[in-house]
Amino acid sequence: AQSVAQPEDQVNVAEGNPLTVKCTYSVSGNPYLFWYVQYPNRGLQFLLKYITGDNLVKGSYGFEAEFNKSQTSFHLKKPSALVSDSALYFCAARGFGNEKLTFGTGTRLTIIP
Amino acid sequence: AAGVIQSPRHLIKEKRETATLKCYPIPRHDTVYWYQQGPGQDPQFLISFYEKMQSDKGSIPDRFSAQQFSDYHSELNMSSLELGDSALYFCASSLNTGGFGNTEAFFGQGTRLTVV
Repeated sequence: AQSVAQPEDQVNVAEGNPLTVKCTYSVSGNPYLFWYVQYPNRGLQFLLKYITGDNLVKGSYGFEAEFNKSQTSFHLKKPSALVSDSALYFCAARGFGNEKLTFGTGTRLTIIP
Repeated sequence: AAGVIQSPRHLIKEKRETATLKCYPIPRHDTVYWYQQGPGQDPQFLISFYEKMQSDKGSIPDRFSAQQFSDYHSELNMSSLELGDSALYFCASSLNTGGFGNTEAFFGQGTRLTVV
């Protein structure tokens, strides 16, 4: 069975500081990893994905994520946080040949002006 | 760019009633997923379809059924509604994962179902 863990329910970061939202996963075989963002009363919006290749992937709105196979992690990062980055962030994973996309429990990111 | 369209956006039903949620995927997307998100919860996978055939099944109650039609739109049918069915229901679509699972899913705005 595949699973995703986001150990922090809430992350607070001052505007302009770097941010990290943590994610670890467990899937069979090679993982396909995704980050989504959810604003209030909105659907999930795709940010970025790791399929293969470079461990550092870049996505929308200046976000990037680092895949670490040995630590089974896929942490979301941004060098300089904006107040508009405040939202709920979900990490998701699926294994090869599996349609089911499994989500973590979400991390609420709050950027403090 | 066209997105995933879900209807209705809001739905209020009484216990034991039935509800039908509709999803129109992004044009040319051939895979549709349904997720349920309870208040303060992460999205839970219900079911998916690839080329009009069920491709995967998650924690979908027996009271629920879904199908994908020839035009690739999908409907989630929910019967004997219970208070606990109140949630945000998301549909997502992707292009031709073909069993590889390496393409991202694009989500609709969701249908908020309230059972009273």
